[in-house]
Amino acid sequence: AQSVTQLDSQVPVFEEAPVELRCNYSSSVSVYLFWYVQYPNQGLQLLLKYLSGSTLVESINGFEAEFNKSQTSFHLRKPSVHISDTAEYFCAVSDGGTSYGKLTFGQGTILTVHP
Amino acid sequence: NAGVTQTPKFQVLKTGQSMTLQCAQDMNHNSMYWYRQDPGMGLRLIYYSASEGTTDKGEVPNGYNVSRLNKREFSLRLESAAPSQTSVYFCASKLQGGANYGYTFGSGTRLTVV
Repeated sequence: AQSVTQLDSQVPVFEEAPVELRCNYSSSVSVYLFWYVQYPNQGLQLLLKYLSGSTLVESINGFEAEFNKSQTSFHLRKPSVHISDTAEYFCAVSDGGTSYGKLTFGQGTILTVHP
Repeated sequence: NAGVTQTPKFQVLKTGQSMTLQCAQDMNHNSMYWYRQDPGMGLRLIYYSASEGTTDKGEVPNGYNVSRLNKREFSLRLESAAPSQTSVYFCASKLQGGANYGYTFGSGTRLTVV
């Protein structure tokens, strides 16, 4: 069985400050890793994903995440946040086997960016 | 706009009532999923349909049933609603069942059972 732990339920930061949202996973097989973002009263949107290859993946709006196999982590970072980044962020894992792409989600981290 | 459409957006039920949540996608996706979202628990899979004509239980299937009506539509039914089913329900779809394909989520149904 696989599981995901997001280590912070809430992260408050000031605008233009850097931020890191932490995610650890456990799985007995090779995994695919995802970060989703949920803006208020909306569904989830894919932010970025790691499937294979380079361990550093980036999104179009400045977020990046690094897959660290030895530490079983996939932390999300942004060097300078904006008010518009305020949202809930979910880390998710899917194994590469026959699970039909089922995702296991973490508990979510609410990022609040203050002016 | 193309995507996943869920109806209704909001619903209040009395304990013991039944209802069906509707989900339709127009992206010709093969796989569809129902998740529930509860505070501090992330999203948990209720049921999924890897392809038209198949359905399987997820992590929390008790109290729910599903129907994959056709390739586009995947409904979730609560036969006898309970307060523990108060939640936000999300439908999602993906082109194929493989883990490397990304999900498209609907905007959710907020259900309250009193």
